[in-house]
Amino acid sequence: AQSVAQPEDQVNVAEGNPLTVKCTYSVSGNPYLFWYVQYPNRGLQFLLKYITGDNLVKGSYGFEAEFNKSQTSFHLKKPSALVSDSALYFCAVSASSGGSYIPTFGRGTSLIVHP
Amino acid sequence: ETGVTQTPRHLVMGMTNKKSLKCEQHLGHNAMYWYKQSAKKPLELMFVYSLEERVENNSVPSRFSPECPNSSHLFLHLHTLQPEDSALYLCASSQDLVAGGTSTDTQYFGPGTRLTVL
Repeated sequence: AQSVAQPEDQVNVAEGNPLTVKCTYSVSGNPYLFWYVQYPNRGLQFLLKYITGDNLVKGSYGFEAEFNKSQTSFHLKKPSALVSDSALYFCAVSASSGGSYIPTFGRGTSLIVHP
Repeated sequence: ETGVTQTPRHLVMGMTNKKSLKCEQHLGHNAMYWYKQSAKKPLELMFVYSLEERVENNSVPSRFSPECPNSSHLFLHLHTLQPEDSALYLCASSQDLVAGGTSTDTQYFGPGTRLTVL
């Protein structure tokens, strides 16, 4: 069965500093990886995804993520955090044949950006 | 706005009540999903429909009953719930979902229904 691990419940960063939200995955077949963000009282919003090609994926709001096959990771990054980036971030994985075609989500990481 | 709406946004019910959650998507998508979101737990997939056919049922208790009358609407019927069922219930849609195929489509989520079972 495929799975996603987000090892940190919470990440704290000062505004203007770089941020990283970690995600590792386990899947049979080629992975398709997603990041979503959830603001308070809202549903999840798509940020970016890796399907194939360049390992560095750029997404909305200045976020990017790097697919690392050897480390089975897909960490979310941003060079300079904003207070408005404070939210709950979810990593998800689906797979080509051998895995589940329906995305599996992690438990979420709460990002808090301090002014 | 994501194009996926859910009603009601908040629901408080007793354990003997019967209620329904409604989801509507205005995106022309063919696949719809119900998720349960509880604090500090992975997002829990409950049901998936593709072209109005149920394609996934993740061992969800029978007190939850989904209905998909057409590709734009999805319901979750609730009866004799337990307090541990209190959670945020999220609906999502995606363009397509082919069993045995691949899913690279982005999912679009509604704002959720905050359910409290007393």
